[in-house]
This record gives sequence, C-alpha cells and structure tokens, in this order.
Amino acid sequence: KQEVTQIPAALSVPEGENLVLNCSFTDSAIYNLQWFRQDPGKGLTSLLLIQSSQREQTSGRLNASLDKSSGRSTLYIAASQPGDSATYLCAVRPAGYSTLTFGKGTMLLVSP
Amino acid sequence: EAQVTQNPRYLITVTGKKLTVTCSQNMNHEYMSWYRQDPGLGLRQIYYSMNVEVTDKGDVPEGYKVSRKEKRNFPLILESPSPNQTSLYFCASREGSHYGYTFGSGTRLTVV
Repeated sequence: KQEVTQIPAALSVPEGENLVLNCSFTDSAIYNLQWFRQDPGKGLTSLLLIQSSQREQTSGRLNASLDKSSGRSTLYIAASQPGDSATYLCAVRPAGYSTLTFGKGTMLLVSP
Repeated sequence: EAQVTQNPRYLITVTGKKLTVTCSQNMNHEYMSWYRQDPGLGLRQIYYSMNVEVTDKGDVPEGYKVSRKEKRNFPLILESPSPNQTSLYFCASREGSHYGYTFGSGTRLTVV
C-alpha cells in the first residue's frame, strides 16, 4: 500500500529565506503528484500538479520536482513571505487508482 | 467561478440523528470524492464516484453513505452519526485522468 511521508513536520524560517519541503512515497508506480496548501481551518488549495512523466513544474515562486524512481518530490519556495505560512500537503495518485494518498503535511511558519 | 461548494461549513449534532452534507461542483467534473481529515491521521478517502450512478468505497467507508444522481452533486449521508465521526470533511472533484483535484472549503462536523 502506498505511503507518503513529509519531512519536516514543522518548519519555522525568517522572511526572505528560500526553503525546501520534502515528500517521499513508497511505491514509484504513480499517476501524478499534487502539492496543496491548507490554511488553518480552511480547505485545500492546489499549488502544483506533476504528471508521472514530468520532472518539475513551476508557478511563480514555487517549484516542484519529481523523481519517480527514487520516490521523492520536493517543493521549493523562493523568497518566503509571512503569507506563505500554512500547512503544505503532498498527495500521490497511485497508478490505476482514483484515490489520493496524502502525507501528513509540513506546517510552515514564516516570521516577518 | 469554478468551485466545489460544501454545506454546511459547521455542524454540531447529536448521536444517532441522521444528517446530510451536500457537495456541488460547477465544473462538469465526472469524478467526485469525499475525504475526512483527523489530527495525526491526515486525509483519508471515504467514498468516490467515477460518474453518475457509479460509486465505490474508499479507505474508511464505514458509517457513511453516498449517492450520485446528478453529475454536479455528491452528498455524504451519515444515517446514525457517532462521536468517532467528529472530523473535518472535504469534498473534491476532478475533470479527467490527467487533471488534479479541486477541493471544497470543508465541513467541520461535531457529533456529541
């Protein structure tokens, strides 16, 4: 069964730092991988979607990479801002399935 | 605006009193699903639907029912709620196999 792990569980950084959030998954047979942002008590906002055939996706200050063979994805946030403070969730869609398997998230706090 | 709408946002109910959480999407998506989010357990899929009149169990279906009579609506039914169903519930939809998921804003349910 697919398992998704996110490290670190929590991260606190000063404003302006570049940072990397990590996601690993146990089964490399995936269809795609999606990164989400969740603000406290709120819904999930999709940030980036990477298909299994792709290596990376970029949106503004965000860049997500995918190394399917090693079961890893990273979310790179450039020049972090206090508004980036949220929980970031990685979700994998296993090949042949319609469900998403989520990691438990990385809680990010960016201080002014 | 393309969105997934859940109602109600907050609900407090008593054990055994049947309730329905509604979910509606305006994007003509074929696939819809329900997740619950619990501290320490992350997001887990309850039920999903590939199309009208086609539904299937996710990882934690016990105590829940769903129906998909129309493409846009996918209600979650708790026939006899229990305190262990206290959770944050999310509805999600996607267009096709290559697309990512769009999530609703969530329904916080408390069963006393």
